[in-house]
Amino acid sequence: GAGVSQSPSNKVTEKGKDVELRCDPISGHTALYWYRQSLGQGLEFLIYFQGNSAPDKSGLPSDRFSAERTGGSVSTLTIQRTQQEDSAVYLCASSLRKISYEQYFGPGTRLTVT
Amino acid sequence: EDQVTQSPEALRLQEGESSSLNCSYTVSGLRGLFWYRQDPGKGPEFLFTLYSAGEEKEKERLKATLTKKESFLHITAPKPEDSATYLCAVPGIRGGGSNYKLTFGKGTLLTVNP
Repeated sequence: GAGVSQSPSNKVTEKGKDVELRCDPISGHTALYWYRQSLGQGLEFLIYFQGNSAPDKSGLPSDRFSAERTGGSVSTLTIQRTQQEDSAVYLCASSLRKISYEQYFGPGTRLTVT
Repeated sequence: EDQVTQSPEALRLQEGESSSLNCSYTVSGLRGLFWYRQDPGKGPEFLFTLYSAGEEKEKERLKATLTKKESFLHITAPKPEDSATYLCAVPGIRGGGSNYKLTFGKGTLLTVNP
């Protein structure tokens, strides 16, 4: 079946501009996660959505970052007033929460802030 | 202080030369350890979940094992197509016990030469 999809695959933006990254999880997966992977660093947890529960935003690095999930499916990660340190690969994952916590990742969006 | 540590950072093998990758962790009450494979420009691909010391899982030329302090990913007679970064992850380290917050190691870059 279809895996997790993300768009765009690449995004180049100027410092100070806002960007939106989209994630479409695997159909039927109730949990959705956003991670950030910077060069030479491990994957960093950003935010977690589970069903209709309030999201866990504890990993968001600043208030310039926000995310929403509409209808329990598609999610959008928004970064306002982008900074050069925001340059990274942003990965989305989804999982069937009741069946272990195996997370299935999308291909990522490579964000470059110039 | 890293609480999920992978070694070595990089490993070069000749085709057919078996070896092992290590993932050590410090967490009380382990609730699973996950292995992923990541190819350049792609999101991590789920490989295995291990839940208890002594557990082993196999997939083709890969076998993952788990002790109370570490996990090994054994690669038997590797082929060039096994070249990738291998990541391990543990839930609940930085999430106040939340199982869904995976903490990833920085990975081992495996290169298998023909």
